[in-house]
Amino acid sequence: DAKTTQPTSMDCAEGRAANLPCNHSTISGNEYVYWYRQIHSQGPQYIIHGLKNNETNEMASLIITEDRKSSTLILPHATLRDTAVYYCIVRVAPNSGYALNFGKGTSLLVTP
Amino acid sequence: GAGVSQSPSNKVTEKGKDVELRCDPISGHTALYWYRQSLGQGLEFLIYFQGNSAPDKSGLPSDRFSAERTGGSVSTLTIQRTQQEDSAVYLCASIRGAGGTGELFFGEGSRLTVL
Repeated sequence: DAKTTQPTSMDCAEGRAANLPCNHSTISGNEYVYWYRQIHSQGPQYIIHGLKNNETNEMASLIITEDRKSSTLILPHATLRDTAVYYCIVRVAPNSGYALNFGKGTSLLVTP
Repeated sequence: GAGVSQSPSNKVTEKGKDVELRCDPISGHTALYWYRQSLGQGLEFLIYFQGNSAPDKSGLPSDRFSAERTGGSVSTLTIQRTQQEDSAVYLCASIRGAGGTGELFFGEGSRLTVL
């Protein structure tokens, strides 16, 4: 599956939008973009996923570029509880037929 | 239960001892993953089970590590002759498979400390 590149860390002021980028320039046509986050000492939690259209749910929005080589996860009004490590992965869904590799993700710090 | 359950939540052992970590996936989920997360690091893939197919063991770091999944449900990760570098949080995740969204559901992990 395609590899992803994310910044190591980012800061965001509480109440502002947090925009987390992810590069996946080798993504295949049948691969989806998934985002997870991991709050300290907890297991990773699913946030959102998409194929080519922008997606929105109660947690976040996902913006995928037209060429699908990059995407941005948007937390519209970041709170202190959004401080976490955010992982971007690409995979074929719902086929779970192979290992899924997570990188080191982006450590987001939301400040008061 | 409703989620992925792992036990024990914490395990302290002495170097050279064997340990077993257990994962109960969500009922009906066909695929199961084990990951390892060392302090301050990302998730390291260990092993993957899909239905009755042979598991993908490509991430196991050495032959001291093994895992099995009985009856297509509960999985046990065994580490023999533990070393201090095995200290980490071991995370289990399951996926529904066909008909699902491809979302991974993670347990809270088993924290292993090797003295």
